Amino acid sequence: DAGITQSPRHKVTETGTPVTLRCHQTENHRYMYWYRQDPGHGLRLIHYSYGVKDTDKGEVSDGYSVSRSKTEDFLLTLESATSSQTSVYFCAIREGLAASYNEQFFGPGTRLTVL
Amino acid sequence: QKEVEQDPGPLSVPEGAIVSLNCTYSNSAFQYFMWYRQYSRKGPELLMYTYSSGNKEDGRFTAQVDKSSKYISLFIRDSQPSDSATYLCAVRRGSTLGRLYFGRGTQLTVWP
Repeated sequence: DAGITQSPRHKVTETGTPVTLRCHQTENHRYMYWYRQDPGHGLRLIHYSYGVKDTDKGEVSDGYSVSRSKTEDFLLTLESATSSQTSVYFCAIREGLAASYNEQFFGPGTRLTVL
Repeated sequence: QKEVEQDPGPLSVPEGAIVSLNCTYSNSAFQYFMWYRQYSRKGPELLMYTYSSGNKEDGRFTAQVDKSSKYISLFIRDSQPSDSATYLCAVRRGSTLGRLYFGRGTQLTVWP
């Protein structure tokens, strides 16, 4: 267990509603990532953060925004959820002190269904 | 072209078999190579990590990297039913941002 929790673990929502997923870490790591996992696509990076208030886009960022106001929390927001955003969302952390061995550790995931 | 290609399987083997899982990658700039294991409805967990070409062994698991052919492999010896999971390969460059590129994952079932 890398000290990562995600909430909620499951959520069902309707198209057009805003949704916020939370990732919380207890390790004080610098880097945090949000991925989505879909059949046939594997894990794809949505957004990542390299420090408080420092975030950047990944490969599938359209329709998502993020915020990181504290080291320990990284929030992913779907401003207006669509059915194509039905997926399993994983948060990951990385210590980030060097380019060498310093790999990502994943949270338990949030299963989101958009009806 | 995707950065990492991985046959999704599924792969089904009897207990005790040797399992070979493989990925190819497209960019010679990738320097770090990982294998993650993911049990059903769980998050991926880091299984093996390698930096250079060659083999790295950890118990029943061996990770192999051939940079000349851009080919990475994971071998599981004496496979067990508890090895049944999806195995994801991942690669990254040497930057501190550490962005990972994942294969689609191979679903493995080891039957008793």
